[in-house]
Amino acid sequence: QQQVKQSPQSLIVQKGGISIINCAYENTAFDYFPWYQQFPGKGPALLIAIRPDVSEKKEGRFTISFNKSAKQFSLHIMDSQPGDSATYFCAAYYTGNQFYFGTGTSLTVIP
Amino acid sequence: NAGVTQTPKFQVLKTGQSMTLQCAQDMNHNSMYWYRQDPGMGLRLIYYSASEGTTDKGEVPNGYNVSRLNKREFSLRLESAAPSQTSVYFCASTLKEGGLSEQYFGPGTRLTVT
Repeated sequence: QQQVKQSPQSLIVQKGGISIINCAYENTAFDYFPWYQQFPGKGPALLIAIRPDVSEKKEGRFTISFNKSAKQFSLHIMDSQPGDSATYFCAAYYTGNQFYFGTGTSLTVIP
Repeated sequence: NAGVTQTPKFQVLKTGQSMTLQCAQDMNHNSMYWYRQDPGMGLRLIYYSASEGTTDKGEVPNGYNVSRLNKREFSLRLESAAPSQTSVYFCASTLKEGGLSEQYFGPGTRLTVT
């Protein structure tokens, strides 16, 4: 059973637009929600992460919105750039256990 | 700091052959992981090691074995490779600091089983 459900599978956005990727989870024991960015031929790299005691975290053009009651969290990329074209994974973790990853979203930003 | 290193980068095996994927980290992390990545399926955990001397099965352990050789090294062994094991394999290690757990990934091993 997929512990973390991610959508959409792929996303095409114009340069300067907003990219939004959504994730949902069931296990309320999760206490850490990271997003990873992966470029072709490379390993995933941590982009931004949030804990469930805050509803939003912003780092530059990247923002995580977290809705604890709905058990959903999303990544917003503002002013999307062609260099943001990559695959994005959400994940969930609870202390002492393993990470559970979404199935990934392939983002293409058109110049 | 090299971070997480993996060898080899590419490998082609015939069905039934065996091989070991090597992983090492120089960040003094306690936890290490092996994932496989397949199109449309994200990252699936094969095995992990929470600390030196311990290993646990993940979501897809069948056909694999692991060894946590020491704190730095965590190897993944395919005893009898099958075409279904064609995948990209990632090793990762985790830093736990201040209640947060950041996972660092290696560059991956691209394995093809014919």
